[in-house]
Amino acid sequence: GAGVSQTPSNKVTEKGKYVELRCDPISGHTALYWYRQSLGQGPEFLIYFQGTGAADDSGLPNDRFFAVRPEGSVSTLKIQRTERGDSAVYLCASSLTRDRDSYTFGSGTRLTVV
Amino acid sequence: AQTVTQSQPEMSVQEAETVTLSCTYDTSESNYYLFWYKQPPSRQMILVIRQEAYKQQNATENRFSVNFQKAAKSFSLKISDSQLGDTAMYFCAFRPTSGAGSYQLTFGKGTKLSVIP
Repeated sequence: GAGVSQTPSNKVTEKGKYVELRCDPISGHTALYWYRQSLGQGPEFLIYFQGTGAADDSGLPNDRFFAVRPEGSVSTLKIQRTERGDSAVYLCASSLTRDRDSYTFGSGTRLTVV
Repeated sequence: AQTVTQSQPEMSVQEAETVTLSCTYDTSESNYYLFWYKQPPSRQMILVIRQEAYKQQNATENRFSVNFQKAAKSFSLKISDSQLGDTAMYFCAFRPTSGAGSYQLTFGKGTKLSVIP
């Protein structure tokens, strides 16, 4: 696609529920990144995919968070047993591996846990 | 590890005037990139300007320019002839040019800029 697409745009869920956030990167971009932006903060790195594999998941806060990219394109960020502290905007970005200048962000998913 | 500090949570400027947003950073890396991103209410992070640390010349993009002081680890953004469409959050960000973290951006907390008609 022309840009990085994230769905849903907004998600409200109850504490304890499971949620999935989807990212559709720019066609041909082999690298994909997830960031979390809490209220009043800058985005913080969560995980980086190179192709299908997670090259660095050191930013995931705990084992309730998991992300996959099974075919090297679309990625899904999964959050189990959501907590109110998980409320944030989750941003996805993609880039060409050898051209970090192509780093492009989506518009994010605003997750609200009530 | 890198840190990026933006000490101005909010700023305002009259339309057509000039404003400067401040950013300082701390790193042990010798080669890196610095960025300013704009985040309007649409939430998408939009790249405004980029500076390569090995270049002494300050980057310029139309009305946007930077003052990069490598020794002081300072990277300010100047917006000239401010327009209403410049109203947004502005984030300073850092990325090493090589190594394990070269794909990862480290952001400051942002400055909310309001352009007043």
